[in-house]
Amino acid sequence: AQKVTQAQTEISVVEKEDVTLDCVYETRDTTYYLFWYKQPPSGELVFLIRRNSFDEQNEISGRYSWNFQKSTSSFNFTITASQVVDSAVYFCALSGNSINTGTASKLTFGTGTRLQVTL
Amino acid sequence: DADVTQTPRNRITKTGKRIMLECSQTKGHDRMYWYRQDPGLGLRLIYYSFDVKDINKGEISDGYSVSRQAQAKFSLSLESAIPNQTALYFCATSEKGQLPSGANVLTFGAGSRLTVL
Repeated sequence: AQKVTQAQTEISVVEKEDVTLDCVYETRDTTYYLFWYKQPPSGELVFLIRRNSFDEQNEISGRYSWNFQKSTSSFNFTITASQVVDSAVYFCALSGNSINTGTASKLTFGTGTRLQVTL
Repeated sequence: DADVTQTPRNRITKTGKRIMLECSQTKGHDRMYWYRQDPGLGLRLIYYSFDVKDINKGEISDGYSVSRQAQAKFSLSLESAIPNQTALYFCATSEKGQLPSGANVLTFGAGSRLTVL
């Protein structure tokens, strides 16, 4: 069975602070994929990043960066110099690659972390 | 127009009523999904379909049924709605593509908020 844990339910920061959203996952698949989605107050789900299990390089996209560590089964998301527009619920998700165990092509989501950025 | 369109966007109904939520897509994707979002629980998979004649249960399928009428359409039905089915429902699609199945990115609709009184 797959599981994604986002232990931080809600985080509040002041604009320009850096913030890290934690994500810990469990899977028995040897090949798997990790995702982050953003859900702004308007409610839609916006894809942010996908990471393969065999690629542990960290990734940076503007103010966003992701730290994937297989040894600790974590895929953490950092926002540098946060802005009010970053206020949203952020979901970490996991998809396996096994047709036999049924993990292929089905996303398992964490419970989300609500980020509130204030002025 | 949105790539993945859900109707209705909001619906209030009474216990025992039959409800259908519809989803249509213009992305040409083979795979379609219905998820439910509840506060504090994240998104949970209800049903999914990898092709027109393919229907699969997700982790919380009890009380729901689906129909894949065409490649572009995937509807979710609540035969007899109950209050604990009050939630935000999302339809999503992904392509079959060349990538391994698990790698495909889901494109979500805007959501359908259902309230069962």
